Amino acid sequence: QSVLTQPPSASGTPGQRVTISCSGSSSNIGNNYLYWYQQLPGTAPKLLVYKNTQRPSGVPDRFSGSKSGTSASLAISGLRSEDEADYYCATWDDSLSGWVFGGGTKLTVL
Amino acid sequence: QVPLVESGGGVVQPGRSLRLSCVAAGITFSSYGMHWVRQAPGKGLEWVAVISDDGSNEYYADSVKGRFTISRDNSKNTLYLQMNSLRPEDTAMYYCAGDFSSSHWGRGTLVTVSS
Repeated sequence: QSVLTQPPSASGTPGQRVTISCSGSSSNIGNNYLYWYQQLPGTAPKLLVYKNTQRPSGVPDRFSGSKSGTSASLAISGLRSEDEADYYCATWDDSLSGWVFGGGTKLTVL
Repeated sequence: QVPLVESGGGVVQPGRSLRLSCVAAGITFSSYGMHWVRQAPGKGLEWVAVISDDGSNEYYADSVKGRFTISRDNSKNTLYLQMNSLRPEDTAMYYCAGDFSSSHWGRGTLVTVSS
């Protein structure tokens, strides 16, 4: 059971906007930065969003992160078939003195 | 060019040890805290350990505390993970990664613990 809770699956059609949630507590999301990763099958995770809302260079602005209290969301607009992947949130947990990942959300583009 | 390259994975019997390495190239290795993250077959990502840029601080997941040791040699641009008392549940792809605000990840090295 992950400390950070993500829905196991999400879906959308091309062009749609989808959001993936990540829920935690005051010891993790509520007090620390949130990171989002995309993992395509058979590949290493790729950083999409860091420090809640920042995008690394090269990540399209179709991807955006937000955080409020003990929850965070990743929004993907203008959905494309190549966005079909697993998405993970991650943050530091003060109580555990360690990093934690969400269980992951499998995004399907219908 | 992939900035981080892991090695040292393989098949090992339960209870035995293994040391993973991760060599950095094209980045200022000594400026980054470094992580090990693993992924069991068909499962999600699990953070394993982190070490500060100068090696003075280390943190571990409860699942590996007391069995695994993270270390680094900044003169060799290399990160290590010494894994002792290995268990079948340690079977996973092991990735090294830079500070999570960076985009630096390796491609992983597979560790299989099986008799």
